[in-house]
Amino acid sequence: DVKVTQSSRYLVKRTGEKVFLECVQDMDHENMFWYRQDPGLGLRLIYFSYDVKMKEKGDIPEGYSVSREKKERFSLILESASTNQTSMYLCASIHGNTEAFFGQGTRLTVV
Amino acid sequence: KNEVEQSPQNLTAQEGEFITINCSYSVGISALHWLQQHPGGGIVSLFMLSSGKKKHGRLIATINIQEKHSSLHITASHPRDSAVYICAVLGYGGSQGNLIFGKGTKLSVKP
Repeated sequence: DVKVTQSSRYLVKRTGEKVFLECVQDMDHENMFWYRQDPGLGLRLIYFSYDVKMKEKGDIPEGYSVSREKKERFSLILESASTNQTSMYLCASIHGNTEAFFGQGTRLTVV
Repeated sequence: KNEVEQSPQNLTAQEGEFITINCSYSVGISALHWLQQHPGGGIVSLFMLSSGKKKHGRLIATINIQEKHSSLHITASHPRDSAVYICAVLGYGGSQGNLIFGKGTKLSVKP
């Protein structure tokens, strides 16, 4: 029954490392999203994609990039991880104004 | 001012109590989601509303488009209902599924 899968639940990375967070959906949705969630700030949009090879910046794209080479997979890349990128990262697959499915989240700690 | 406001921020209830969580928004919307997030991170969509009322088990969600307000009610609350409940709206022109989130209401139901 799993619909959106994130590759890791917990990650610990060192400052300066390049980090890949993977998200896969099995619903053939066009729209996929990456959010980060921090206490007191709620969910904030990093990047989204509405088609293969298409990407749009969200509210806080700095320090991140994304890749969508196949419809089902949307990757978030931290080019050079920093401690202020320690957060919970959530991927979502959303179909228009109907279905919204979220992954289980990746709790990333950068040390 | 946030575009989506939830109240209360925190709520503690005794098992069996009737619970109401409120969501007000300031933008025109095409749909509103109520989401549930348990400790550990994963988010589940409980309801998607564009008008009226929906019911699923002990959960009821209502929306008043004219007043730009939605409520989530839980009848006969149970400790397993303890979670963060998040209201998210899809604005007009949001065909790409970009949601605007409230900051969440943390519910704790005591046995």
